Amino acid sequence: QLQLQESGPGLVKASETLSLTCTVSGGSISSNSDYWGWIRQTPGKGLEWIGTIYYSGSTYYNPSLKSRVTISVDTSQNQFSLKLSSVTAADTAVYYCARHLGGNYYNAFDIWGQGTMVTVSS
Amino acid sequence: EIVLTQSPGTLSLSPGERATLSCRASQSVSSSYLAWYQQKPGQAPRLLIYGASSRATGIPDRFSGSGSGTDFTLTISRLEPEDFAVYYCQQYGGSPRTFGQGTKVEIK
Repeated sequence: QLQLQESGPGLVKASETLSLTCTVSGGSISSNSDYWGWIRQTPGKGLEWIGTIYYSGSTYYNPSLKSRVTISVDTSQNQFSLKLSSVTAADTAVYYCARHLGGNYYNAFDIWGQGTMVTVSS
Repeated sequence: EIVLTQSPGTLSLSPGERATLSCRASQSVSSSYLAWYQQKPGQAPRLLIYGASSRATGIPDRFSGSGSGTDFTLTISRLEPEDFAVYYCQQYGGSPRTFGQGTKVEIK
C-alpha cells in the first residue's frame, strides 16, 4: 500500500527558504510513471495547489508561486522535495504531498501524506 | 484561473438525511475534470469523486457526483455519522489547479 510522508522543519524564519521532503513508501516513485504534487492549506486561503513533478523531473507550478518554488525528485531515495524561497507569514500553512491518480497530471490527487505544519516566524 | 464557489457554506442535517452540495466554476471545466474530497479535522483530504462522477476506490455508493461545464453536485444519499466533515471540490483541467472554499456538513 503506497504511503506518503512529509518531513522538514516546522519553523522557518521570514525571508528564508522553506524545504520539505516527501518520502514514498510501499512502491517506487517511478514505477507507474506517476505525477507527484504539493498542496498547502491555510485557514484563510483554504487549499492551494503549489506544483507537480513528473517522476522524470518535468515540473508544473502555480503561477502565483512560480517565482519562489522549486520541486525536485530523487528517484534513488524515493523522494520528492519542495523549496519555497523568501517566505513570509502568508506561507504559514499545513503542507501536503500527494499523488495524481492514474499516473496522469490531468487527474485528482488520490493518495495524500498526513501533512506537516510549517510556521514562518519573524 | 478558474474560481470554484461552493454552496452552502454549512449544511446542518441529521443522520439518514440526504445532502446536496454545489460547486460552481467561474468558467467551464474541461472534460469534467472535477473532483470532490472529504476532510475531517486533523486529517488530509480524502478523494471521493473524480471525473465529476466516478467514485474513487473504496468509496461507498451513497456518494455520487454529477454535473458538467460550470455546475457540479455532490450528493450523499443517506448521511452516516462518519460523513459529517468538510467537503471540497477541485478542478484539474486548468492551470492552476484550484479548490473550492469548502462546505461543512454538520450534525443538526
